[in-house]
Amino acid sequence: AQSVTQPDIHITVSEGASLELRCNYSYGATPYLFWYVQSPGQGLQLLLKYFSGDTLVQGIKGFEAEFKRSQSSFNLRKPSVHWSDAAEYFCAVGEADSWGKLQFGAGTQVVVTP
Amino acid sequence: ETGVTQSPTHLIKTRGQQVTLRCSSQSGHNTVSWYQQALGQGPQFIFQYYREEENGRGNFPPRFSGLQFPNYSSELNVNALELDDSALYLCASSQDRGKTGELFFGEGSRLTVL
Repeated sequence: AQSVTQPDIHITVSEGASLELRCNYSYGATPYLFWYVQSPGQGLQLLLKYFSGDTLVQGIKGFEAEFKRSQSSFNLRKPSVHWSDAAEYFCAVGEADSWGKLQFGAGTQVVVTP
Repeated sequence: ETGVTQSPTHLIKTRGQQVTLRCSSQSGHNTVSWYQQALGQGPQFIFQYYREEENGRGNFPPRFSGLQFPNYSSELNVNALELDDSALYLCASSQDRGKTGELFFGEGSRLTVL
């Protein structure tokens, strides 16, 4: 069975500093990987996705993620965070022909300090 | 384009009651997925509807049921409510079972069961 682990429940980062959120997955075949962001009172918004090809994926809002098959990881990064990046971030894994059925991690809450 | 809308936004029920949550999918989308997000957890897949048929179900009991209408809007029904059903219920719409890899989420319906 597929699963997703986000080891960090909560991260505090200073505005302007870099951010890296960890995601590890367990899945037998080639996974389809996603990062979603949830701001307070909002639904989830897709930041980026990996299906195949280049293992470094660019997303919206200046985020990127790198797929590392050997480490079963799909970490999310941003070089310089803005106060508006404070939110909860979810890593998710899906499979072909079952696109709408995603397995989400428990999420990482990001707090941005001045 | 019109986004995904859910109603009601908040509701309170008592154990044993029944609840119906509604979702209007984004214009042009024919697939709706429902997720349950308990406090402090990631969303968990309940089921998906594609062209009015159930197309996949997560690990939820039969008292969780759904419908999709010809206009692709959807309902989630939960019978015999239990305290553990208290959660944010998210609806996500997509095209063709989400094959593009992007789900468009509504802001959710927060259900409290007393």
